[in-house]
Amino acid sequence: DVKVTQSSRYLVKRTGEKVFLECVQDMDHENMFWYRQDPGLGLRLIYFSYDVKMKEKGDIPEGYSVSREKKERFSLILESASTNQTSMYLCASISRGMGNTEAFFGQGTRLTVV
Amino acid sequence: LAKTTQPISMDSYEGQEVNITCSHNNIATNDYITWYQQFPSQGPRFIIQGYKTKVTNEVASLFIPADRKSSTLSLPRVSLSDTAVYYCLVGDPRDSNYQLIWGAGTKLIIKP
Repeated sequence: DVKVTQSSRYLVKRTGEKVFLECVQDMDHENMFWYRQDPGLGLRLIYFSYDVKMKEKGDIPEGYSVSREKKERFSLILESASTNQTSMYLCASISRGMGNTEAFFGQGTRLTVV
Repeated sequence: LAKTTQPISMDSYEGQEVNITCSHNNIATNDYITWYQQFPSQGPRFIIQGYKTKVTNEVASLFIPADRKSSTLSLPRVSLSDTAVYYCLVGDPRDSNYQLIWGAGTKLIIKP
């Protein structure tokens, strides 16, 4: 019954590494999102995408990029990981439709940059 | 995007009814109101969504007054497992720019 899947639950990377976080949804949703969540700071939007190859910056895009080559997959890329990017990363998707819609989240990726 | 305001935290006891109110004074005509629940180290989970009046499902009720400038999530007979952060979101899911902006939420603590 898994609807949004993130590629890793835990990751440890070194400073300067290029890091890929993958998110796949099986609900044919148009909109997909990447957030990071840190204690006391809530969910902060990094990037979102409303269609294939389309992306929009969120509140904190610096140091990140994204890729959406297929509708079901939205990737978050840390070009050169830094210790201040240690965080919980959450992917979400939502249908852009009429009436009631709900967002579905992945299980989260806890990234530690050392 | 309509901004929402919720209490930072609330306490209650097992078996009680809990009401969490969210203020959204500049809600737009096409906006829906959605509530989510989040446990530690997990992503938020949908609870309930409504546009006006009252909506009820198996876990909660959502009360929306006629002016739609606020909404109240009602959790009947809470248990310890309802301890979580609750978020109120306002927006139009049909909008391609629908960003799912999250406020600080309300941290609900249920005591035995």
